[in-house]
Amino acid sequence: AQSVTQPDIHITVSEGASLELRCNYSYGATPYLFWYVQSPGQGLQLLLKYFSGDTLVQGIKGFEAEFKRSQSSFNLRKPSVHWSDAAEYFCAVGGPMEYGNKLVFGAGTILRVKS
Amino acid sequence: AAGVIQSPRHLIKEKRETATLKCYPIPRHDTVYWYQQGPGQDPQFLISFYEKMQSDKGSIPDRFSAQQFSDYHSELNMSSLELGDSALYFCASSIGQLLTGELFFGEGSRLTVL
Repeated sequence: AQSVTQPDIHITVSEGASLELRCNYSYGATPYLFWYVQSPGQGLQLLLKYFSGDTLVQGIKGFEAEFKRSQSSFNLRKPSVHWSDAAEYFCAVGGPMEYGNKLVFGAGTILRVKS
Repeated sequence: AAGVIQSPRHLIKEKRETATLKCYPIPRHDTVYWYQQGPGQDPQFLISFYEKMQSDKGSIPDRFSAQQFSDYHSELNMSSLELGDSALYFCASSIGQLLTGELFFGEGSRLTVL
């Protein structure tokens, strides 16, 4: 079955420092890949997505992610973190219809930003 | 721009009661998904509908049922509520199925079972 692994439960970075959140997936085919952000008590906001084409995708709020097929990874990056980026980040995968019409989420990574 | 609307935003029920959550997708979106997010957990897929037909089914308990109506809104019905049903329930919508679209999430309905 398809699965998503976010190995880091918590990450703390200093404001202005760079950020990388890891995401690995297990899938029978190249899936569609997403990163969502969730602030406490709030809904899920899409940061960026990868369907095909250029493996480096740009998202909102200065985030980017790179799809690496050989590593089955889709890591999220930001060159300079702002205090407002503190939230929980979910990687998600979806795929062709034979894998079901749904997103499968990772366990999430909680980002803390220290000043 | 119009977003996915969920109601109610908060709901408190006693054990063994029933609850109904409603989801109004973005206009012209024909696919609706339901997710359950327990405290400190990742969202778990429950069920989805495309053009008013069930499209996919996940870890939805037998005590739960859902449907999509002719106006594309969806309702999640939960009966014989248990303490473990306390969670944030998200609805998402898309144009077509995941193959071609992305999911837009509502802000969730928080169910508390006492």
